[in-house]
Amino acid sequence: EAQVTQNPRYLITVTGKKLTVTCSQNMNHEYMSWYRQDPGLGLRQIYYSMNVEVTDKGDVPEGYKVSRKEKRNFPLILESPSPNQTSLYFCASSLLAVFINEQFFGPGTRLTVL
Amino acid sequence: AQSVTQLGSHVSVSEGALVLLRCNYSSSVPPYLFWYVQYPNQGLQLLLKYTSAATLVKGINGFEAEFKKSETSFHLTKPSAHMSDAAEYFCAVSERGGSQGNLIFGKGTKLSVKP
Repeated sequence: EAQVTQNPRYLITVTGKKLTVTCSQNMNHEYMSWYRQDPGLGLRQIYYSMNVEVTDKGDVPEGYKVSRKEKRNFPLILESPSPNQTSLYFCASSLLAVFINEQFFGPGTRLTVL
Repeated sequence: AQSVTQLGSHVSVSEGALVLLRCNYSSSVPPYLFWYVQYPNQGLQLLLKYTSAATLVKGINGFEAEFKKSETSFHLTKPSAHMSDAAEYFCAVSERGGSQGNLIFGKGTKLSVKP
């Protein structure tokens, strides 16, 4: 089944404890992206990747890191999480550049930072 | 910078009534436009997209949207609401010729459907 998977789905952690949220797609998509969703703010793009080893900042990149060493994986790293990073996170992928092609979204990761 | 405005964070309609969800964008150059739907506890799913072909775009589940350049609008409509349409809807824009990987979402409109 073609899909985008994220792990974990739920995570509660404490301030400053490094964490990684994994994202994987099995559709051979070139484009991948991370978003955070907050009530009243909609979705905001954190980072995106046009292809392997090519990443770029979205609108809210502060406090996050990403890497794209393989086409299928695009992990989101929080080196020192803070409470303002409590949010619902979505990974998405698209066959080619986002302005033409549909983005497929993962099920989301709900992160709470205490 | 690109921006998207969705008028009304909550819209409530009766089953069988017209659904109209509003979206306006800011751009001097017509962008690529999308509507996504998010059902409770799920990720987003593409409803339809405008990429400079026909101005009236038909999507899944009976939804359609019309691109109006003069009004910088891309409103989403459905002639007759169904209970299963209750969800949150997001309008999104991607700059034509700009940073091709950057997708800007509106803040969303939550649609409720009353029996």
